[in-house]
Amino acid sequence: DIQMTQSPSSLSASVGDRVTITCRASQSISRYLNWYQQKPGKAPHLLIYAASSLQSGVPSRFSGSGSGTDFTLTISSLQPEDFATYYCQQSYSTLWTFGQGTKVEIK
Amino acid sequence: QVQLQESGPGLVKPSQTLSLTCTVSGGSVSSGSYYWSWIRQPAGGGLEWIGRIYTSGSTNYNPSLKGRVTISVDTSKNQFSLKLSSVTAADTAVYYCARVLYEAAHYYFDLWGRGTLVTVSS
Repeated sequence: DIQMTQSPSSLSASVGDRVTITCRASQSISRYLNWYQQKPGKAPHLLIYAASSLQSGVPSRFSGSGSGTDFTLTISSLQPEDFATYYCQQSYSTLWTFGQGTKVEIK
Repeated sequence: QVQLQESGPGLVKPSQTLSLTCTVSGGSVSSGSYYWSWIRQPAGGGLEWIGRIYTSGSTNYNPSLKGRVTISVDTSKNQFSLKLSSVTAADTAVYYCARVLYEAAHYYFDLWGRGTLVTVSS
């Protein structure tokens, strides 16, 4: 299995802050990496696919980068509606796996 | 607008089989651009991919579920289904169905159902 490790597991930030979440794969996955946002009691929602492609309708303050084993999700200016848990997910192997999640909380 | 809706029992007894159905509305489960998948999430936990199916019936499953999983598709009803046998309390979770877009060799979950809580308890 390809293990996906996110850091940090949680963070506190203020509205307007720039936030960066890291996802590391246990082996190279090229750019087969997606990011999702999940709010409490709701289903996850696709933000970024193929490492850096913004899903239609997702605000441009979200961006993704990386390739190989190291990836980053950046929120350029945190908004109140962005407080949520974020997951990375790889689709490189037949067995798809998620990171453990990063919870973004209000400072 | 395509929507996915999970349905099935919210309570299953240990050792029995969990059965869920996902109904696709506003679109077709036979669309060649998509796979269909199940994902689960225990309370307070992370996401675990269970498996996927293509309209042809071709499937892939998470080996961690040790052969207990079967996913099927019913094109006449525009539904796909999950069966998980020999359940234990560890299978208690919110179960999501999701649409998987396959594009330029990339797969991603672009549409999710709302999820349904399944509790395994006697």
